[in-house]
Amino acid sequence: EVHLVQSGAEVKKPGESLKISCKGSGYRFTSQWIGWVRQMPGKGLEWMGIIYPYDSDAKYNPSFQGQVTISADKSISTVYLQWSSLKASDTAMYFCARQRDGYLVVFDLWGQGTLVTVSS
Amino acid sequence: EIVLTQSPGTLSLSPGERATLSCRASQSVSNTYLAWYQQKPGQAPRLLIFGESTDFRRATGIPDRFSGGGSGTDFTLTISRLEPEDIGVYYCQQYGRSPWTFGQGTKVEIQ
Repeated sequence: EVHLVQSGAEVKKPGESLKISCKGSGYRFTSQWIGWVRQMPGKGLEWMGIIYPYDSDAKYNPSFQGQVTISADKSISTVYLQWSSLKASDTAMYFCARQRDGYLVVFDLWGQGTLVTVSS
Repeated sequence: EIVLTQSPGTLSLSPGERATLSCRASQSVSNTYLAWYQQKPGQAPRLLIFGESTDFRRATGIPDRFSGGGSGTDFTLTISRLEPEDIGVYYCQQYGRSPWTFGQGTKVEIQ
């Protein structure tokens, strides 16, 4: 069965660093882009960026460029989203999602989400 | 970036009724590159419909009561006969021009 499984919920303080993960299984992980989507409390969806696990080619939404880093380790079928210095405004649910096979940037497989809470 | 505006904010209908959700783009979306997702409370979004050229296609496993339409700046998602399990928030997403953007969502309730 095909899955994306994300790491568990995190509670952090402002200024701390964080790296969350998304592990794929059941399909050829290196051949499909994986994106990250933010959902702030009670709000809609925002595309943050996307990475191609085969060569770690990453593209960012300008709104998130420089705020987060997306990386991949294809040897363990995992992509990451990381912050070097968290802010309270980073409190949100973060989803990883697989781009459908091909060139259309639609997301056909989603992780269960990782809730990040940043509070002093 | 392309801004997507969805209407109505909330749609409250009875089972068996037809639901029509709207998504309007601030600029023309090329090649009908627009998708629809459903998000139920406490769950991740699920892909329902996506467009390519002039056609809309249902994702794998999506019932045929869901259909997509539109072009240019105006798009619709239609649920032909509403079922109780269709409750949730529905989002449109454009992938015609980066950054890919989502609408703010339409909440579907069952009366």
